[in-house]
Amino acid sequence: KAGVTQTPRYLIKTRGQQVTLSCSPISGHRSVSWYQQTPGQGLQFLFEYFSETQRNKGNFPGRFSGRQFSNSRSEMNVSTLELGDSALYLCASSPGQGGAGELFFGEGSRLTVL
Amino acid sequence: GEDVEQSLFLSVREGDSSVINCTYTDSSSTYLYWYKQEPGAGLQLLTYIFSNMDMKQDQRLTVLLNKKDKHLSLRIADTQTGDSAIYFCAESPNQAGTALIFGKGTTLSVSS
Repeated sequence: KAGVTQTPRYLIKTRGQQVTLSCSPISGHRSVSWYQQTPGQGLQFLFEYFSETQRNKGNFPGRFSGRQFSNSRSEMNVSTLELGDSALYLCASSPGQGGAGELFFGEGSRLTVL
Repeated sequence: GEDVEQSLFLSVREGDSSVINCTYTDSSSTYLYWYKQEPGAGLQLLTYIFSNMDMKQDQRLTVLLNKKDKHLSLRIADTQTGDSAIYFCAESPNQAGTALIFGKGTTLSVSS
């Protein structure tokens, strides 16, 4: 079974630009969550989508947004990039209901904002 | 507010046992998790424990949960150099087990 795939793996942007990251979950998983990982703040929850609907949202500004498609693939977008947005963005998929809710993580997209 | 705390570093010798500790604040968390992150990689779920359990053993891993003190620990028996990584404790404040709150991670260094 293929794992969680994130693209692109690495990208460099400049302040003020916008970026879109993509995540393909494990086949059959309906929940996709996004996390931001930085050395200072650690891992922080951004949002979760389940069956194309945002189910949970973390404490991030409106510049961070996401969506999920009918095939469960998800994208997240960050507009008006700031230097502090430089981070590893991790996507995780899970079946989304019942069970222990184990998350399966992708390898991440590393964003550098110059 | 919700918070998960871990010590930042642990150094052990190969063959010894490692114990990584964690405290959490949300007593309503149904599941508590341990994840492992190797350099340049995403997170890998190691094990989890249901909140009504005191202990769970999975091969070399033993998880102990003290719900009264909101204390979780991960013991790795016979620690190997390949166990060197960052270990994250996490709690889930919702029934779906998503929207995890992670600790800052404990860097485990294993020397031969």
